[in-house]
Amino acid sequence: QVQLQQSGAELVKPGSSVKMSCKASGYTFTSYYIYWIKQRPGQGLEWIGRIGPGSGDTNYNEKFKGKATFTVDKSSSTAYMQLSSLTPEDTAVYYCARSPLYSSYLDYWGQGVMVTVSS
Amino acid sequence: DIVLTQSPALAVSLGQRATISCRASQSVSISRYNLMHWYQQKPGQQPKLLIYRASNLASGIPARFSGSGSGTDFTLTINPVQADDIATYYCQQSRESPPTFGAGTKLELK
Repeated sequence: QVQLQQSGAELVKPGSSVKMSCKASGYTFTSYYIYWIKQRPGQGLEWIGRIGPGSGDTNYNEKFKGKATFTVDKSSSTAYMQLSSLTPEDTAVYYCARSPLYSSYLDYWGQGVMVTVSS
Repeated sequence: DIVLTQSPALAVSLGQRATISCRASQSVSISRYNLMHWYQQKPGQQPKLLIYRASNLASGIPARFSGSGSGTDFTLTINPVQADDIATYYCQQSRESPPTFGAGTKLELK
């Protein structure tokens, strides 16, 4: 079955960076986009961007350019997102999700990573 | 960016019909494709895809969920509502980048 297993919760200091992972299983990793979504506590969903694991092509929401960086390791079917220069406004749950190519709906989601930015 | 507007909350009785609406600030349809999708999120869980391209039921989703609409106005219907359906529902458009989500409609019991 399709699964996206994300790494564990992070407590980080302002100004630092964090890198989280999203390990895919149960499907051909390179045949679907991986999207990253932010959800602040008690708030809605915000698209950070996406990466095509086969090509490595990335698209970022303008709002997150310079904040988020996506990479993949095809050998382990794992996608990564690094967030830099963290502030308390980056405190949120971050989800990875799978999207069929050329479709942009998210048919499977990871369980989320809670990132808390606090001194 | 395309703005999606949802009512914040909807109160419904078990066994009744729930109709959740989503209005887009501009059309999200291209030709015969209506690029609106719906998700369910329960507290402490990740969102789950219910409906894609306005009216297509996602895999494993019960038939009491259905979607309709085109252009700027879309509807998610749950009929009949069961206790397990109490959650927040989000619409999402993929007509233009960036993909955007509505603020969510919290389904509550009357």
